[in-house]
Amino acid sequence: GAGVSQSPSNKVTEKGKDVELRCDPISGHTALYWYRQSLGQGLEFLIYFQGNSAPDKSGLPSDRFSAERTGGSVSTLTIQRTQQEDSAVYLCASSPFLGGAGDTQYFGPGTRLTVL
Amino acid sequence: RKEVEQDPGPFNVPEGATVAFNCTYSNSASQSFFWYRQDCRKEPKLLMSVYSSGNEDGRFTAQLNRASQYISLLIRDSKLSDSATYLCVADLSGYALNFGKGTSLLVTP
Repeated sequence: GAGVSQSPSNKVTEKGKDVELRCDPISGHTALYWYRQSLGQGLEFLIYFQGNSAPDKSGLPSDRFSAERTGGSVSTLTIQRTQQEDSAVYLCASSPFLGGAGDTQYFGPGTRLTVL
Repeated sequence: RKEVEQDPGPFNVPEGATVAFNCTYSNSASQSFFWYRQDCRKEPKLLMSVYSSGNEDGRFTAQLNRASQYISLLIRDSKLSDSATYLCVADLSGYALNFGKGTSLLVTP
């Protein structure tokens, strides 16, 4: 079946511009996650959505970052006034949320963001 | 200090060799543990979960030592296709995975 999809696959932007990154989770998955992977760094958790519950935004690095999930499916991560340190691969994942710890997360191919 | 620490490698091994990776995690309350595999410029994919009793999946064996907060992955009879970065993961919250930076493996003919 179809996996997690993300768009765009690559995004080059100028410092100070806003960007929107999109994630389409696997159909039927109720949990959605955003991570980022900077060069030479491990994946860093950003935000988590589960059903209609309030998202856990504890990983967002600054108030320039926000995310929403409309209709319990598609999610958009928005970065305002981008900075060069925002350059990274932004990965989205989804899981079926079977209710236990360790629910398997399936990752999308990521959006490679470059801020000039 | 990063919550999950791994030796970055690279580990260069010949085909057929056995190779072991280790990682440590700092938060003793971590609940679940995994090894993910990430190929160059690709997304991470779950390789296997790690259980206290140890678990095996074909050529891959994972071990967890909660007392030492230590996780290991053993790959037997390495294949060229095993070349990748292996990410050690600890899960404290039940959803926000803590990833190590990864250990790079190159299997050579």
